[in-house]
Amino acid sequence: DAGVIQSPRHEVTEMGQEVTLRCKPISGHNSLFWYRQTMMRGLELLIYFNNNVPIDDSGMPEDRFSAKMPNASFSTLKIQPSEPRDSAVYFCASSSRIAGVANTGELFFGEGSRLTVL
Amino acid sequence: AQRVTQPEKLLSVFKGAPVELKCNYSYSGSPELFWYVQYSRQRLQLLLRHISRESIKGFTADLNKGETSFHLKKPFAQEEDSAMYYCALSGFGNEKLTFGTGTRLTIIP
Repeated sequence: DAGVIQSPRHEVTEMGQEVTLRCKPISGHNSLFWYRQTMMRGLELLIYFNNNVPIDDSGMPEDRFSAKMPNASFSTLKIQPSEPRDSAVYFCASSSRIAGVANTGELFFGEGSRLTVL
Repeated sequence: AQRVTQPEKLLSVFKGAPVELKCNYSYSGSPELFWYVQYSRQRLQLLLRHISRESIKGFTADLNKGETSFHLKKPFAQEEDSAMYYCALSGFGNEKLTFGTGTRLTIIP
């Protein structure tokens, strides 16, 4: 298994442009998470899905950010319009949740997408 | 609300010396605590979890509910321990995982 796959690995864009980040979770995992990593704030949870349904999007900074999970094997995080302060590394992670069992907490992370907005 | 605090952004330790990375948390319910590690050019990965009470790569961490802490310790640092370490928290049975800001550990040869 190649693990969680993210694309693109690097993105440089200009302010105002639309950015779309993509994620393919590990096959069989039913939870998917989007995190943003910055020097100042560390890893921030933006949104997570369970069985393709958004469960908690309270970390999404503002309306410019949106995320979708149309099926169990694909998710996107979109920023429109992008701003320089959105520059960060965006991580996707997946896990397997078993209903009624204590959370093992093991998230499997992708390699991240480094976004630079000029 | 759940919050994780790692007071040290950077920590340098000589090889062979003891290591302690601090983590404090805030959570009203029953917490589950974890340590994740990111080595250079590798993915962020789980190091250990309090519920397993295990030692991984010589590291241990004890959950202290009285002090709301989950410090990571190793008696003798090795060069390969240099990495970024994140403490993380979830509520019992809850999959939402909140991370601290991380500590970059550098082992000095």
